Amino acid sequence: RKEVEQDPGPFNVPEGATVAFNCTYSNSASQSFFWYRQDCRKEPKLLMSVYSSGNEDGRFTAQLNRASQYISLLIRDSKLSDSATYLCVVNTGNQFYFGTGTSLTVIP
Amino acid sequence: GAVVSQHPSRVICKSGTSVKIECRSLDFQATTMFWYRQFPKKSLMLMATSNEGSKATYEQGVEKDKFLINHASLTLSTLTVTSAHPEDSSFYICSARTRAGGQGGYTFGSGTRLTVV
Repeated sequence: RKEVEQDPGPFNVPEGATVAFNCTYSNSASQSFFWYRQDCRKEPKLLMSVYSSGNEDGRFTAQLNRASQYISLLIRDSKLSDSATYLCVVNTGNQFYFGTGTSLTVIP
Repeated sequence: GAVVSQHPSRVICKSGTSVKIECRSLDFQATTMFWYRQFPKKSLMLMATSNEGSKATYEQGVEKDKFLINHASLTLSTLTVTSAHPEDSSFYICSARTRAGGQGGYTFGSGTRLTVV
């Protein structure tokens, strides 16, 4: 079983839409969780960390459900510039495990 | 914030030659660096973890003699693809872990796109 499972999409949504991505992880001992954004042919960049209490940064909301072992990312009021691949990353011990990434395209 | 500089960003080489990729932590000391490989439309796959002053730990299926990793100082780690073949063409990215955790615990280099012809 993969350490991190993520729906690859693609998600094609109109501007202004709300879109949510989920990611599940297999190891209950995983300690920290992140969402990264990767633009085409670029390196991943940290979007936000995910905390148990949930956290929000502008239009982005991240949540963690330890009991069900999944993390989510909600994007409200999608912008064209949100088009990218979103990677969930799980830290277990000294290892970081990546989801396959979810492709998002925001359509005008 | 923590910055990792990776060079070269793009390299084209002939089959059979070796290519060295460098990653430098510019404003922090990177005790641990991770090397990833990414195929088109795929996620990053960890190749190896390098710790300053010791031998790298390779993931299963990654050839140690083909992908030589050196982490000789707290600010520099190198990946050398030896006797490169077309199937080694890929996007290679390093990331470094800051001692204090930093931005999500680690920062990525900008990646190296290797094309072997």
